Amino acid sequence: NAGVMQNPRHLVRRRGQEARLRCSPVKGHSHVYWYRQLPEEGLKFMVYLQKENIIDESGMPKERFSAEFPKEGPSILRIQQVVRGDSAAYFCASSPGQLDSPLHFGNGTRLTVT
Amino acid sequence: DQQVKQNSPSLSVQEGRISILNCDYTNSMFDYFLWYKKYPAEGPTFLISISSIKDKNEDGRFTVFLNKSAKHLSLHIVPSQPGDSAVYFCAASVLGDYKLSFGAGTTVTVRA
Repeated sequence: NAGVMQNPRHLVRRRGQEARLRCSPVKGHSHVYWYRQLPEEGLKFMVYLQKENIIDESGMPKERFSAEFPKEGPSILRIQQVVRGDSAAYFCASSPGQLDSPLHFGNGTRLTVT
Repeated sequence: DQQVKQNSPSLSVQEGRISILNCDYTNSMFDYFLWYKKYPAEGPTFLISISSIKDKNEDGRFTVFLNKSAKHLSLHIVPSQPGDSAVYFCAASVLGDYKLSFGAGTTVTVRA
């Protein structure tokens, strides 16, 4: 399966701990996007990255959240000092960056903060 | 601010009949629209898209209609099949922009 791979699928963290979510894009895709889905809501844009660069992080909370897409390895979404409100499904998507090319989504990581 | 709205949270339809899903948007800058399908515990899967230069796009059993003046689009699935039971998300963006604005989704149940 050459699709977007996300791990872990499920992640449980206690309040105050750190959560690290990983995303490997479709082979050949250099554009990665993170979206968050809260219960009963649609997906909300968080951040857009290209290799080694953050292009747009306007949807990401200013504190505790960070994202990276290093030259080698997967993209990482990091949430420090998690709170209960961070509980959600986090989806990663990738694209080749061409106009009107739809995003390909991974199966998501469901984060539960206890 | 919810720029894309799907006002029907659920839809139940008999197998073989037509499913019609509706979506409204408020941002007049949007010119590219997509529908995604999502099964439980999976990510959204791209279904069909339409740009604002068209008012209809068809792909097999799936047809998307766009009414720009009403800022409304719809997805028709005909005939509906049991495997179509899923959550359908409407999404919109400005063509070339990477930020998709999603609706809250419509859960479709196809009854045998």
